[in-house]
Parts: sequence; structure tokens; C-alpha cells
Amino acid sequence: RKEVEQDPGPFNVPEGATVAFNCTYSNSASQSFFWYRQDCRKEPKLLMSVYSSGNEDGRFTAQLNRASQYISLLIRDSKLSDSATYLCVVLHPSGGYNKLIFGAGTRLAVHP
Amino acid sequence: NAGVTQTPKFRILKIGQSMTLQCAQDMNHNYMYWYRQDPGMGLKLIYYSVGAGITDKGEVPNGYNVSRSTTEDFPLRLELAAPSQTSVYFCASSTLGTGGNQPQHFGDGTRLSIL
Repeated sequence: RKEVEQDPGPFNVPEGATVAFNCTYSNSASQSFFWYRQDCRKEPKLLMSVYSSGNEDGRFTAQLNRASQYISLLIRDSKLSDSATYLCVVLHPSGGYNKLIFGAGTRLAVHP
Repeated sequence: NAGVTQTPKFRILKIGQSMTLQCAQDMNHNYMYWYRQDPGMGLKLIYYSVGAGITDKGEVPNGYNVSRSTTEDFPLRLELAAPSQTSVYFCASSTLGTGGNQPQHFGDGTRLSIL
């Protein structure tokens, strides 16, 4: 079983749609959670951290369910510029070092 | 604002050749990392460093070596290039480790093909 699993997609949605991605993680000792965005042939960039109580940043809402070990990202009012791959990233301790584990990503394509 | 700078951006190597991927950051970050990303896969950690003079293996260190003589630079060395090392390589840095919500800042990547 992969440590971080995501549906690879692609999710094809029209502009203005609401879309949600889920991610599951296997290590219950995981401490912190993030969503990164990666545009085609570009480097990953931090989109937002995921807090236990859930958090919102503009059109983006992140949720964490520790009991079920999953994280979600909701995008409202999708824009063409939201087209990218969204990486679920989990941090957990590993031999004295806090290790980031990257999911393979979920691809989103927003069309006119 | 340079951030994390990687060179070269692209490279084609023959099997058995060696090369060094350069990475430099100007943010005075203690932690630096090398990842590889294969098509359709997540990033895999090759090596990391918690400060000058200190390096350690990540998930997939075989076939690679690193050094960290200064805070700014963290080169990745391939000694005997193999086709399995064809990948996109990302260097990243962060402040004082990845505890809390410290984001990692990534370079633009190096696309390496071994033929």
C-alpha cells in the first residue's frame, strides 16, 4: 500500500464548477498535511497547509479527518488557471527527521 | 529573488557517464533536499541535508552521492549513469526542517535522460 494515495484523475470540469479531491495516508503518526500544486513541467509549489479544524483560503478549502486518515481539497468556482496537478503531502517523523511524503497527484483540467 | 537555483535545466547522458547536478539557495535555509520525479509518480527523496557538513540518505539513494560544504550549495552526483536514473530532479530547501508548517521551496528542476 502506498503511504499517500490519490486518485490520479484527470478531473475534467467546466469553469465555475466545484471539484473535490481526496487523499488517504497510511501512517497514523503523520503530523502535518499540505496540498501542493504542480503545473505541467514545473516545480511543486505550496498551495495550502491543512489544519485539524479545516481551513479556507479564498476558493480553496482543505479538510483533515484523522480518524479515517484522509485529507480533502475543495475548489469552488473553478478557473482555467486552476488546471494543474494537485499533490497531497504528508509529514511524519522518520528516524529523527520529519519526512515529507508526496502523493502522485491528482490532475485537474478546467475547460471553458 | 533567486530562491532555489538548479543547473542544468536539461541534460542527456550516455550510460556510464558521470555528472553533477548543481543546486544553490540564497534564503539561508538550513535544510536542503534532492528528489526525483518519474512520470505519473510522486516525488521520491534521494538525499537530504540538515546543515553544512551533514547529509543523510532518503528513500532512493542508490547511484547518487551528495555533499554540503556550504549552507548555500547542495550538489547531487551521479557516478555511473544508468537508464533507470532518467527522471526529473528537483532540489528544495526549507527553514529548520519540516516541522510545523514550513514549506519547501523548489528549484525549477533538471530533466535528465540517460541513453
